[in-house]
Amino acid sequence: KNQVEQSPQSLIILEGKNCTLQCNYTVSPFSNLRWYKQDTGRGPVSLTIMTFSENTKSNGRYTATLDADTKQSSLHITASQLSDSASYICVVPRPGTYKYIFGTGTRLKVLA
Amino acid sequence: GAGVSQSPRYKVAKRGQDVALRCDPISGHVSLFWYQQALGQGPEFLTYFQNEAQLDKSGLPSDRFFAERPEGSVSTLKIQRTQQEDSAVYLCASSLHQGISYNEQFFGPGTRLTVL
Repeated sequence: KNQVEQSPQSLIILEGKNCTLQCNYTVSPFSNLRWYKQDTGRGPVSLTIMTFSENTKSNGRYTATLDADTKQSSLHITASQLSDSASYICVVPRPGTYKYIFGTGTRLKVLA
Repeated sequence: GAGVSQSPRYKVAKRGQDVALRCDPISGHVSLFWYQQALGQGPEFLTYFQNEAQLDKSGLPSDRFFAERPEGSVSTLKIQRTQQEDSAVYLCASSLHQGISYNEQFFGPGTRLTVL
């Protein structure tokens, strides 16, 4: 069954600290994986896309990794800011379709 | 416009009322998607349009849900005889090309529907 699971479900950290969010997927065949950031009351915004041949990709303070062998991805946030408080959703397309399989997200709260 | 817009942003309906939710996709985007997002959950697919053609409506939960995109741009999601379980955020997304997995979907801010 094609699934996307994320951990932790929620996370609270202090401003300036680093954190890592995890995504495990069982989707096969695999083509790509996206990390989206969803602020409260807003729609998701794409942070990065990882294809099966990529291991690491950075977007500012966000660094995504992908291990296609273990079917795991992580999103590392460096030097967190209050504005990083949001839900982070891992998304994998359903094979051969335009449909996305969404993870349930990790809700991150950054405290001053 | 610069992004996907949706209106209204918030809608409160009494059980049994009909509602209409509007989506203005990014100009020129071929593909348009509607999603339903329950609190604390990821979005769930409802339906997909390629231009004015509704190619997939497999995610619509019942025949009370109807979507249209008559001119291939603005789309409306209509829910008839609303029920409490319809309470959710309804997200619209568009992408530039016809739906393939590499195309980024750009999401609107959503309409939060509350059915009393």
